Amino acid sequence: AQSVTQLDSQVPVFEEAPVELRCNYSSSVSVYLFWYVQYPNQGLQLLLKYLSGSTLVKGINGFEAEFNKSQTSFHLRKPSVHISDTAEYFCAVTFMYSSASKIIFGSGTRLSIRP
Amino acid sequence: DAGVTQSPTHLIKTRGQQVTLRCSPKSGHDTVSWYQQALGQGPQFIFQYYEEEERQRGNFPDRFSGHQFPNYSSELNVNALLLGDSALYLCASSLVETGANVLTFGAGSRLTVL
Repeated sequence: AQSVTQLDSQVPVFEEAPVELRCNYSSSVSVYLFWYVQYPNQGLQLLLKYLSGSTLVKGINGFEAEFNKSQTSFHLRKPSVHISDTAEYFCAVTFMYSSASKIIFGSGTRLSIRP
Repeated sequence: DAGVTQSPTHLIKTRGQQVTLRCSPKSGHDTVSWYQQALGQGPQFIFQYYEEEERQRGNFPDRFSGHQFPNYSSELNVNALLLGDSALYLCASSLVETGANVLTFGAGSRLTVL
């Protein structure tokens, strides 16, 4: 069965420190991979996506993610976080079946930045 | 270029009532999906509309229904509201030809059922 797992529900970090938010998936079909960010009382905004090509993907706000097919992971990283990065981050995977596609979101990781 | 717009932003209903939420997709998009996001959880897929037809449906009861209009805008209807229907309802639009489900989300409609 297809699934998406975000291993950490909360990640506290100090400002200007690096951060990694983890995402793993389980799939028997090909996939497309996404990270979305949700600020308080807002909808979700696309941070970055992997559709094909280079496995290292760069997104907005200095974030990047690496697709590791053997590990079935798509971890999100930022070398130096800011207070403004405080938000909820969702990993999403589109599973490509022969007749249709299905997107599943992870349960989210709350990133809190300490000054 | 307008993104996805949703209305109303907030609403309060009582158990048993019915509610209609509205969504206008991003300009150029032809597919609309609806999600329910309960507090502290990720978005749960309700259904997706393309060419005015429901293409896919998540694990939601028939109390949840929708519609897509010729201009690609969409409505989500929920009948016989339950307390558990309280959530943020998100509309997302995309282009069907990409197949990858690259979604553009609206800000959501927060429904409170008392």
